[in-house]
Amino acid sequence: QVQLQESGPGLVKPSQTLSLTCTVSGASIMNGDYYWGWIRQPPGKGLEWIGCIYNSGRTYYNPSFESRVSISVDASKNQFFLEVTSVTATDTAVYYCARVDGGGYCSGGRCYVYFDPWGHGILATVSS
Amino acid sequence: SYELTQPPSVSVSPGQTARITCFGDALPKQFVYWYQKKPGQAPVLIIYKDTVRPSGIPARFSGSVSGSTASLTISGVQAEDESDYYCQSADSTDSYPQVFFGGGTKLTVL
Repeated sequence: QVQLQESGPGLVKPSQTLSLTCTVSGASIMNGDYYWGWIRQPPGKGLEWIGCIYNSGRTYYNPSFESRVSISVDASKNQFFLEVTSVTATDTAVYYCARVDGGGYCSGGRCYVYFDPWGHGILATVSS
Repeated sequence: SYELTQPPSVSVSPGQTARITCFGDALPKQFVYWYQKKPGQAPVLIIYKDTVRPSGIPARFSGSVSGSTASLTISGVQAEDESDYYCQSADSTDSYPQVFFGGGTKLTVL
């Protein structure tokens, strides 16, 4: 059974960098054929996709984050990471990591990306 | 930009049928997925590839698509179905997926 667990500081100061880790158990990032993703939910709002990464390090991101977001992977540790730079209060959210199912790619104009399973989420608050 | 539009709320009495819609221009050519999200819990995938129910998801949950509108139907609603529900899809930009979620629908069981 695949399980994911987010970890990282719960409080970040404005203008600093939010760094989160997702540790995967029950599956191997290195030997698997999956993308892995980050999604967040600000308080009282809906889900927002952040980006995805493959074990090779290939990534794709939500363009609304411009260049503030970076996702990386350490397949040997079965972990992948999220960094959000220059955070503001609007980055306060519950951050979820998840496995990308369906392939995580587009082919013939059709895309195959959905998330299952998800981690339990971690609340990251941006405040001075 | 890509958008999915859901009604903010739907209310239904126990035992009745609830229908939650999701409108998006990309839906005629892209799959739609549905998640159940309860407060303090991780989202759970309940429908994938428009109509497929993962193992362990009760048969009262079903999905359908007609043109640009996808629907999640819950037949014989139970109190435990009270939750937020999100649709999700993806479209391609420079051959990479762009993923987008609907704004969510709060299902209230009266």
